Amino acid sequence: DAGITQSPRHKVTETGTPVTLRCHQTENHRYMYWYRQDPGHGLRLIHYSYGVKDTDKGEVSDGYSVSRSKTEDFLLTLESATSSQTSVYFCATSGGGREQYFGPGTRLTVT
Amino acid sequence: GESVGLHLPTLSVQEGDNSIINCAYSNSASDYFIWYKQESGKGPQFIIDIRSNMDKRQGQRVTVLLNKTVKHLSLQIAATQPGDSAVYFCAENIPLGSNYKLTFGKGTLLTVNP
Repeated sequence: DAGITQSPRHKVTETGTPVTLRCHQTENHRYMYWYRQDPGHGLRLIHYSYGVKDTDKGEVSDGYSVSRSKTEDFLLTLESATSSQTSVYFCATSGGGREQYFGPGTRLTVT
Repeated sequence: GESVGLHLPTLSVQEGDNSIINCAYSNSASDYFIWYKQESGKGPQFIIDIRSNMDKRQGQRVTVLLNKTVKHLSLQIAATQPGDSAVYFCAENIPLGSNYKLTFGKGTLLTVNP
């Protein structure tokens, strides 16, 4: 799994609260990604990073922000969580080849 | 977890049989394809990949076939085992200039009966 960990693994939060999910990798991969996975949908890209401090939006970026201050960490922040952001969130990394390696996921429930 | 398997096409096979999982992709410019396996409660796991200039690629107990004419991809699993039970989905890589986009299918739930 390319040495990828995500924290927390499970979180329940209330609508309107800020939430930060962390992805940590030990493979020194340049590229990092945040996806969400929902029933009836394939994995959908939220944001990605192509280097330290270099990030860009994916297809479902509204309501999310990211930061990457060092190679190994990629943070996903929900500034004000909504029920529509209840999902399973996956981090992935890539060393430059097009295959991506995924973390174990974070299950987020917004009540 | 279990919620990933809801609303998905399903395939049920007997242990020891061969399994074929299909995927239709959307973009004729896609140049690379990946199959992933996702067990309940876990992240997707890379299984095998294939480039668009190939028709077939074999791995350990798995074979991927690519038919670009009809934009179809299949994953064949030989001698299916209970540990193969999972959601399988394909991903297509779409070149976007100097960048690229990986688009994922919704997946197929494979159940292996002992």
